[in-house]
Amino acid sequence: GNSVTQMEGPVTLSEEAFLTINCTYTATGYPSLFWYVQYPGEGLQLLLKATKADDKGSNKGFEATYRKETTSFHLEKGSVQVSDSAVYFCALGYNFNKFYFGSGTKLNVKP
Amino acid sequence: DTEVTQTPKHLVMGMTNKKSLKCEQHMGHRAMYWYKQKAKKPPELMFVYSYEKLSINESVPSRFSPECPNSSLLNLHLHALQPEDSALYLCASSQVLGGNTEAFFGQGTRLTVV
Repeated sequence: GNSVTQMEGPVTLSEEAFLTINCTYTATGYPSLFWYVQYPGEGLQLLLKATKADDKGSNKGFEATYRKETTSFHLEKGSVQVSDSAVYFCALGYNFNKFYFGSGTKLNVKP
Repeated sequence: DTEVTQTPKHLVMGMTNKKSLKCEQHMGHRAMYWYKQKAKKPPELMFVYSYEKLSINESVPSRFSPECPNSSLLNLHLHALQPEDSALYLCASSQVLGGNTEAFFGQGTRLTVV
């Protein structure tokens, strides 16, 4: 079957620290992979995506590389800001528009 | 325009009420979705419409009734809900390209059933 597993949160970091949020997936075929971010009280915003193996998605200083050999799509940022505090969801898009979401990882960034 | 607009933002309804949630997009997307999200949980898929036809129903109770009157609009009709149906209801849309394309989400409707 298809599934996404994310690291448990919350993750608490100081401003300017390095961020990694782990995401691994199980899928048959060749899904696209996504990171979405959700700020309190809001909907989900697409942060970045990768559509095939070895693609790197990037946006606003965040990066993730589609690794087929390790079935992973880890999210990284070199220097986090307080404004990055949110919940981050890893997702895969597969099988005619059905998206599979991970459980979400809450990030708290302290000044 | 990359917006998905949902109305209302908040809704409180009694268990005997009938209400509707509305969703609109003008990106030319032909796939539209309803998701339900409980606190501290990921979104759960409820329905998918493709070319205005229902293509996926994730075994949702009949008290939730979706409708897609045209390619820009998606409604969710609510009737005889239970308190456990209280959640954030998210609408999303995407292109129909075999699943390898991102979904754009609205801000959601925060529903409270009393």
